[in-house]
Parts: sequence; C-alpha cells; structure tokens
Amino acid sequence: KAGVTQTPRYLIKTRGQQVTLSCSPISGHRSVSWYQQTPGQGLQFLFEYFSETQRNKGNFPGRFSGRQFSNSRSEMNVSTLELGDSALYLCASSLETSGGGNEQFFGPGTRLTVL
Amino acid sequence: TQLLEQSPQFLSIQEGENLTVYCNSSSVFSSLQWYRQEPGEGPVLLVTVVTGGEVKKLKRLTFQFGDARKDSSLHITAAQPGDTGLYLCAPRNTGNQFYFGTGTSLTVIP
Repeated sequence: KAGVTQTPRYLIKTRGQQVTLSCSPISGHRSVSWYQQTPGQGLQFLFEYFSETQRNKGNFPGRFSGRQFSNSRSEMNVSTLELGDSALYLCASSLETSGGGNEQFFGPGTRLTVL
Repeated sequence: TQLLEQSPQFLSIQEGENLTVYCNSSSVFSSLQWYRQEPGEGPVLLVTVVTGGEVKKLKRLTFQFGDARKDSSLHITAAQPGDTGLYLCAPRNTGNQFYFGTGTSLTVIP
C-alpha cells in the first residue's frame, strides 16, 4: 500500500506570494492533518480534515487555510508569505480522526523556503 | 497552549551505550505517543502509552508513562547507529488533539 505522498518536496517563494501544498493520504484514510515543523518551535498542529470537513484547528493566522476533497486528498494554502513561514510542512493521514488516538502516518514533508 | 518539555535537546553517544530521554509536562494527558523522525522523512510512530505507570518494550527501546500521566521516558539499551534520529513525544490532551514536543536529536556514533 502506498504511503502518504506530498508535493512538491521543495519550494522556494518570496515574501508576499502565496503557496499551495498537496497531500495524498494512504488509500482508505479519511483524516488528514497538517503540521508545521521548525527547529525552534518543533511540530505545530495546523488543522485536521475529516470527510471534507475541518475538525480541528491550531493557533495559526487566517493566512493558513486548507481543504479536503471527496477522494480525501488535501491541500493547504498559505497567502501573503512571510519569512517566518519557512518550515517543513508535514501531512499525516489516519483511518479515523487523529483525535481518537489512531495512528497517524506522515508524509516526507514539503520544505518551504521564503526569501 | 500545552507546556511540553523534552530533554535533552541534543544527545551524542557511542554505539553500545545506554540512554534515556524525557518528556515532561505540567498537564495530565489521556495518552502519549512517541515518534522517531529521520532526516528527510516524516515522523514514524513507535508506541502509544495509555495507562499511568505503563511500560512498553520495543526490542531495545523501553517506554514508560508516568504514574500521574504527566511525563514519559524512553530508554534505549545498547544504542546502534540506526537509532539516530529525532525522537518526538506527542501527548494527547483533553481536547483530543496531539501536541508534539520539540524533540531530542540523537546521534549514535559507530
């Protein structure tokens, strides 16, 4: 069974631009969560989608948004990029909602650099 | 925001040595997961502990959940280079959401 895939793997943008990252979960998984990982803050939860609905949301500004499609694939968008948005963005999928303690399977991440 | 501390932040040891890393919080958690993340990859789940005082073993790795469910430890016996990576703890709070610590970066030198 294929794992979680994320595209692109690397991305370079400039301040003020917007970016869209994509995540394809493991087949059959309905929950997709997004995390931002930086050396100083570690892994921080952005949001979770389950059956096309946002279930949980972390403490990030409204510039960070996401959506999930009927095939469970998910995208996250960051508008008006700031230097501090440079990070590894990880997507994780699970069979049911991640809050149920189900195992999350992570993708390799998208490394975003904002210049 | 949950206050979660992992220590040490960095650890470099020789192959064959033993080590323990810690995950501490002032909050009580319903459960806790440990992950290992290797460079260029996403975290991989190692174990989930649920009951206070619970001990789980995974080959040379021993995980313990504190009696009060506020802390956890991971002990590695006879570390090997393949154990190198970032070890993350992720407690689950009453909001049913996992939070991650900043991790312990372990390097095992052959």
